[in-house]
Amino acid sequence: DIQMTQSPSSLSASVGDRVTITCRASQGISNYLAWYQQTPGKVPKLLIYAASTLQSGVPSRFSGSGSGTDFTLTISSLQPEDVATYYCQKYKSAPLTFGGGTKVEIK
Amino acid sequence: EVQLLESGGGFVQPGGSLRLSCAASGFTFTSYALSWVRQAPGKGLEWVSAISGSHIYTYYADSVKGRFTISRDNSKNTLFLQMSSLRAEDTALYYCAKLHLGVADHFDYWGQGTLVTVSS
Repeated sequence: DIQMTQSPSSLSASVGDRVTITCRASQGISNYLAWYQQTPGKVPKLLIYAASTLQSGVPSRFSGSGSGTDFTLTISSLQPEDVATYYCQKYKSAPLTFGGGTKVEIK
Repeated sequence: EVQLLESGGGFVQPGGSLRLSCAASGFTFTSYALSWVRQAPGKGLEWVSAISGSHIYTYYADSVKGRFTISRDNSKNTLFLQMSSLRAEDTALYYCAKLHLGVADHFDYWGQGTLVTVSS
């Protein structure tokens, strides 16, 4: 089975900073990768699918890139409401594995 | 508006059984695959199982294979998860999630979750 590894596991940044989260697949998955945001106490929310396609309604400060084994989620200008844990997820074939998560906090 | 409403969670002893339900509305139920995803307290997301719209195809995580059974009643727009031989490590918030289209896809809608606690 393909493993998904996120880094870092947590980060602290200032409002307005550019934030980058990495997700690595143990085997190539083309662009079959999604990103989710889970704010404290809330349900996960889809941000990006197909590695770089922004889900409707998601602010444009979020972007995704990558293909194959290495992927990136970028927040161009961190906002207070972005405090959350972010998860990547691979699809196209089962198991539908999630990364371990990256907790983003405000410095 | 897509809505997913889970029920059936509760407290159960190790070795026991529980059946979760997820009532769906706001989309053509038979056209979409559905899934269960769980989250242990303070931990990350773990995919559990998925079922195709026609319920022909089902998939399971290795951690639950042989103990959990996913099913759906397309006449009642309801998804189920029959859980047996429960273990302490099955303690989690169980989310029902709609897959974007196919049975191995990304999740575009999530329910609020139902809590399962396995303890003696």
